[in-house]
Amino acid sequence: DAGVIQSPRHEVTEMGQEVTLRCKPISGHNSLFWYRQTMMRGLELLIYFNNNVPIDDSGMPEDRFSAKMPNASFSTLKIQPSEPRDSAVYFCASSRGLPSRRTDTQYFGPGTRLTVL
Amino acid sequence: SQQGEEDPQALSIQEGENATMNCSYKTSINNLQWYRQNSGRGLVHLILIRSNEREKHSGRLRVTLDTSKKSSSLLITASRAADTASYFCATGINTDKLIFGTGTRLQVFP
Repeated sequence: DAGVIQSPRHEVTEMGQEVTLRCKPISGHNSLFWYRQTMMRGLELLIYFNNNVPIDDSGMPEDRFSAKMPNASFSTLKIQPSEPRDSAVYFCASSRGLPSRRTDTQYFGPGTRLTVL
Repeated sequence: SQQGEEDPQALSIQEGENATMNCSYKTSINNLQWYRQNSGRGLVHLILIRSNEREKHSGRLRVTLDTSKKSSSLLITASRAADTASYFCATGINTDKLIFGTGTRLQVFP
């Protein structure tokens, strides 16, 4: 069974350009998470969805960032316009989403390394 | 601020030695999880311990949880060069989301 799939694996863009990162979660998983990892700030949760609905977007840095989950098998994270400080590795993760609000194991994708020049 | 803080930040040992990493957190949890991240890769789940458990084993891994002290430890016995990675604790607090700590970088020399 395929794990979490992310694309592209690497993205180099110029400041001001729009960037779209894509994620396909594991089939049957109900929760999807977007993280950003940098040396300075570590691993930060940006947003997570449950059953395609955004539940907590308190980690989204600013209005330049937006995320969507149009169906259970696809999500995007968009940065418009991009800035050099957005350079980081962006991870997508999914989990089954347990009942009773218990926290389940998360399965991470390989990440997208974004460089904004 | 981070829910989980790992200690030490970095650890270097020889193959065959044991490695112990500690994690402290601030609020009540429903479970605590440990993940490993190899350089340039995504995180991989290692082990989950529930708040009503005190100790759990998985192969060469041993995790303890002390909810009164709000702390956990991960012990890797008989370490191997392939164990070289960063290790993160993550706490679940009655929602789907995990809050990750700052990580411990483990280097195992052959």
